Amino acid sequence: EAQVTQNPRYLITVTGKKLTVTCSQNMNHEYMSWYRQDPGLGLRQIYYSMNVEVTDKGDVPEGYKVSRKEKRNFPLILESPSPNQTSLYFCASSSTRGTVFSGANVLTFGAGSRLTVL
Amino acid sequence: GENVEQHPSTLSVQEGDSAVIKCTYSDSASNYFPWYKQELGKGPQLIIDIRSNVGEKKDQRIAVTLNKTAKHFSLHITETQPEDSAVYFCAASNKNRDDKIIFGKGTRLHILP
Repeated sequence: EAQVTQNPRYLITVTGKKLTVTCSQNMNHEYMSWYRQDPGLGLRQIYYSMNVEVTDKGDVPEGYKVSRKEKRNFPLILESPSPNQTSLYFCASSSTRGTVFSGANVLTFGAGSRLTVL
Repeated sequence: GENVEQHPSTLSVQEGDSAVIKCTYSDSASNYFPWYKQELGKGPQLIIDIRSNVGEKKDQRIAVTLNKTAKHFSLHITETQPEDSAVYFCAASNKNRDDKIIFGKGTRLHILP
C-alpha cells in the first residue's frame, strides 16, 4: 500500500530534550515536506525537500532541522524542544514528475504525530 | 508570495443540504488548486483538484469552480451526508515555478442530523 509513515504518533516530552520524528514514504516521491497544524492557523510548512540532499526552509523553520540522506526518509529533528512547539505534525510527499496537467503535485500525508512539550 | 484566504472557518449544514466553502488567492500565476479533507485523527487527503485550464470540475457530489479573473475558487458539496463532517483545506500552487503549496486555514464542516 502506498503510504507515508510517521513515528511516533504521540509523544510527550520535556523542554530541551532532543527528539526526532521519522517520516518514510514508499512511493519513490521526490518531494517531501513537514507541516505543523495548530488551531486557527491551518497547515504551516516547516521544511521541504525537492530531492535527496536538497532541503529548504518553509514558513516556520525556527527550532527545527531536517535531513534528506535517502529518497524515502525525511526526519524532523527538534534539537531543543520548547512548549511553543507543541503541535500536530504532518509529513507529506509527492511526485514532481509530469506537468501541472498530469498527476504530479498531489500530496500524500502521513497520519500525523501529536507532540506535547512540557 | 502566495496567500490563500479561506471562508468560513466553521460551517454547519443540515444533512441533505449543500455546503459551499470559498477561497481566494493572491498570486495570479498560481495554476493548481487542490482541496484536501481531514477526518478526525487522520492526515489530510486530496478529494478534488482543479487546474487553471478549466473553470469547473465535478466528481459525484463534490464540485470545484475556479474564477481566474477574480482569483476565487470554491468547493461545493451537494446532498451532504454525516461522513462529510471534517476539516477541509483549500490550497494553491504554481507548478511551473516550484512545488510549494500554500494552504488556507481550513473550514470545519459539521453535518447536522
